[in-house]
Amino acid sequence: ILNVEQSPQSLHVQEGDSTNFTCSFPSSNFYALHWYRWETAKSPEALFVMTLNGDEKKKGRISATLNTKEGYSYLYIKGSQPEDSATYLCAPRTTDKLIFGTGTRLQVFP
Amino acid sequence: SQTIHQWPATLVQPVGSPLSLECTVEGTSNPNLYWYRQAAGRGLQLLFYSVGIGQISSEVPQNLSASRPQDRQFILSSKKLLLSDSGFYLCAWGQGTRTGELFFGEGSRLTVL
Repeated sequence: ILNVEQSPQSLHVQEGDSTNFTCSFPSSNFYALHWYRWETAKSPEALFVMTLNGDEKKKGRISATLNTKEGYSYLYIKGSQPEDSATYLCAPRTTDKLIFGTGTRLQVFP
Repeated sequence: SQTIHQWPATLVQPVGSPLSLECTVEGTSNPNLYWYRQAAGRGLQLLFYSVGIGQISSEVPQNLSASRPQDRQFILSSKKLLLSDSGFYLCAWGQGTRTGELFFGEGSRLTVL
């Protein structure tokens, strides 16, 4: 069973603060690393998919990095806004399946 | 464009009753299909996935089963529900590629009383 850990479990920040979360996963049998954002009352939506060691992806104020050798990924949010409030899930992919971590629940206060 | 729908959205069932959750995908062919569950206070747990008609892989031993009678239809079932089956169930589809993201349905909240 793939063990995917995310930290912290929850995070409360003020609007304008920058923040980051960690995803750690076994580095063997690794195909890709996915990040999803799950807002309340909605379905999870993909943010990034990364495959190569050293990959760095960016979408607006959100960016992510990947280290496949040591088995971790960071997600960064610059200048958090209330609309960033959501649960952020990482999921390494092995063959045909994605195994999700427990997520980091972010709440941004105005 | 591709769409995914699952139903029912909400279900309240007594212990020991049967369950059937359905999921259909439109606008794509031969998708990989997945059932995930979020139990209270926990992350998304993969229950079943399917890479083709009649092909089901089970991830955890449990009181549930899945079937894929048609290419774009995925059904989650139980003959007798347990209290521990309560949770939020999500169906998802994706292409069978390493970088293919998953697209999720709207979710089904099951409460077993």
